[in-house]
Amino acid sequence: QVQLQESGPGLVKPSQTLSLTCTVSGGSISTDDYYWTWIRQLPGKGLEWIGYIYHSGSTFYNPSLKSRVTMSIDTSKSQFSLKLTSVTAADTAIYYCARDHRSTSLGTWGPGTLVAVSS
Amino acid sequence: DFPMTQSPSSLSASVGDRVTITCRASQPISSWLAWYQQKPGKAPKSLIYAASSLQSGVPTRFSGSGFGTDFTLTISSLQPEDSGTYYCLQYNTYPPTFGGGTKVEIK
Repeated sequence: QVQLQESGPGLVKPSQTLSLTCTVSGGSISTDDYYWTWIRQLPGKGLEWIGYIYHSGSTFYNPSLKSRVTMSIDTSKSQFSLKLTSVTAADTAIYYCARDHRSTSLGTWGPGTLVAVSS
Repeated sequence: DFPMTQSPSSLSASVGDRVTITCRASQPISSWLAWYQQKPGKAPKSLIYAASSLQSGVPTRFSGSGFGTDFTLTISSLQPEDSGTYYCLQYNTYPPTFGGGTKVEIK
């Protein structure tokens, strides 16, 4: 049973870069079937899809965040990462990593990690 | 952007009731729609994918239907553990977009 776990700082200062890592266990990150995805949930609000990375390193980002987002993957460590630059208080959210399949969509999620942007 | 309109935004129902939540896409999305349940403090859990396919381990009282622009999640007999917020997700067009959510309360 594949499991995902987010990690990273819970507090980031405005204008700085938010950096999170997702560790995949119980399954291969290099499988052709899945896309490794980041989603966030603003406080008390809905869900926003940030982007995905494939094991080859190819990416697709939400156009609304594209100018500030970079994703990377380290298959040797079974990890993929998110960087979001120039953060503001509006980026305060719970950040989830998830495994996406073209047919079954977001089937497996990490528990999420709260990141607050504050000075 | 590809907005998904979900209704109602909240509902209150009794144990044993049949509950229906709807999701409407602004453009046809074939069957590329999923449903999620979220409990407070937890990540969303996948219930339904491809509009009507039940994820493994999900109780059969949950069902999904629809095609094109109009979709429905039905709970045939509401149970106390079904309280939470439900979201639809279209994944026909990237970036995928979520509905606004339906909060289900047990009377």
